[in-house]
Amino acid sequence: EAGVAQSPRYKIIEKRQSVAFWCNPISGHATLYWYQQILGQGPKLLIQFQNNGVVDDSQLPKDRFSAERLKGVDSTLKIQPAKLEDSAVYLCASSLGTGGPDTQYFGPGTRLTVL
Amino acid sequence: DQQVKQNSPSLSVQEGRISILNCDYTNSMFDYFLWYKKYPAEGPTFLISISSIKDKNEDGRFTVFLNKSAKHLSLHIVPSQPGDSAVYFCAATGDNSNSGYALNFGKGTSLLVTP
Repeated sequence: EAGVAQSPRYKIIEKRQSVAFWCNPISGHATLYWYQQILGQGPKLLIQFQNNGVVDDSQLPKDRFSAERLKGVDSTLKIQPAKLEDSAVYLCASSLGTGGPDTQYFGPGTRLTVL
Repeated sequence: DQQVKQNSPSLSVQEGRISILNCDYTNSMFDYFLWYKKYPAEGPTFLISISSIKDKNEDGRFTVFLNKSAKHLSLHIVPSQPGDSAVYFCAATGDNSNSGYALNFGKGTSLLVTP
């Protein structure tokens, strides 16, 4: 079974530029998550989708971050404009979405460096 | 505020010995706990989980113990192998109508297993 796919793996941009990340979850997984992991920290949830609806985006900096999951499968996360403090690894995860706690499976992440 | 704490940033263990990684949590609503292993440049890989209705779960060399009254869990790896060298993240989740079972992570413990 294919895992969670993410691209690109690495991205370097200058501050105030925009960037987009893509995620393809495990087939059949209804729930998709985007996490931000800053160096030396654990992953922190940015946004959670159930199919194509947003469940939780309370920690998403909405003035600069946006995300969508059209058709309830692939998802994109965008940052516009980027700040230095956005340098981090952006992880996508998916789970079956059973309505209760279930195991989340992570992609390899996209490492973003903002100069 | 950090609701999941891993107070040991690093741990070194000899091959063949037991590795014990500890995790504390503060939110009494958490009822499902997971351990993830992370190698450099890869996403976190699910290792083992435990529900709050249990106090122990075993999978091969890995055992997770949960002490609900102390809000403490630990991961035991016996016997430890050099391939176990990685960063281990403790994560917790619970029924929260606002967050839909998103994971709350600790900062991780870097385990080094020496030959």
